[in-house]
Amino acid sequence: DGGITQSPKYLFRKEGQNVTLSCEQNLNHDAMYWYRQDPGQGLRLIYYSQIVNDFQKGDIAEGYSVSREKKESFPLTVTSAQKNPTAFYLCASSELAGRLVDTQYFGPGTRLTVL
Amino acid sequence: GNSVTQMEGPVTLSEEAFLTINCTYTATGYPSLFWYVQYPGEGLQLLLKATKADDKGSNKGFEATYRKETTSFHLEKGSVQVSDSAVYFCALSRGGAQKLVFGQGTRLTINP
Repeated sequence: DGGITQSPKYLFRKEGQNVTLSCEQNLNHDAMYWYRQDPGQGLRLIYYSQIVNDFQKGDIAEGYSVSREKKESFPLTVTSAQKNPTAFYLCASSELAGRLVDTQYFGPGTRLTVL
Repeated sequence: GNSVTQMEGPVTLSEEAFLTINCTYTATGYPSLFWYVQYPGEGLQLLLKATKADDKGSNKGFEATYRKETTSFHLEKGSVQVSDSAVYFCALSRGGAQKLVFGQGTRLTINP
């Protein structure tokens, strides 16, 4: 089955530690995205990537970093510089050409809690 | 800038009631519009979309029409079920990378 996987589902971190969230897709999509969701709020864009080895900051990139070494993988690192990292993190992907160019498909999410 | 405003929740209805969740947007150009649904503890699923003015998106009994004159994309369903209980997000796409801008979400609870 094609889709997006995120791991782990739940993640706990101590203050001052960096942590990396995994996102993998086998849809052969060019573009990948990371969003953050806080209770009672919509999703906010952290980073996105349209091609391997290239990525751009979204609306709330401070305290986060990403890499895109492979087309199917787009890991997100939450650094100790992120002041309030406890949230639900969602990864998405989309085509950049064709009939479904503007449709993003989401993974199941990772809930990060800072202790 | 681009933004999406949804009606505030939570919304609670009885089974078989008529549902409307309002969504209005502000955008430059002609964005595509989306409704996503999120069930507890899960990611978002695309419910329906419309890519140009007067288009109607529909899926699973839900409908929404792209109204450019009122900059709206209201979600409707004629008869809701308990299984429709979820959080619904309205969104628009912007830019060459098709970045999504989301509303704050509306929590819907359907009672039997």
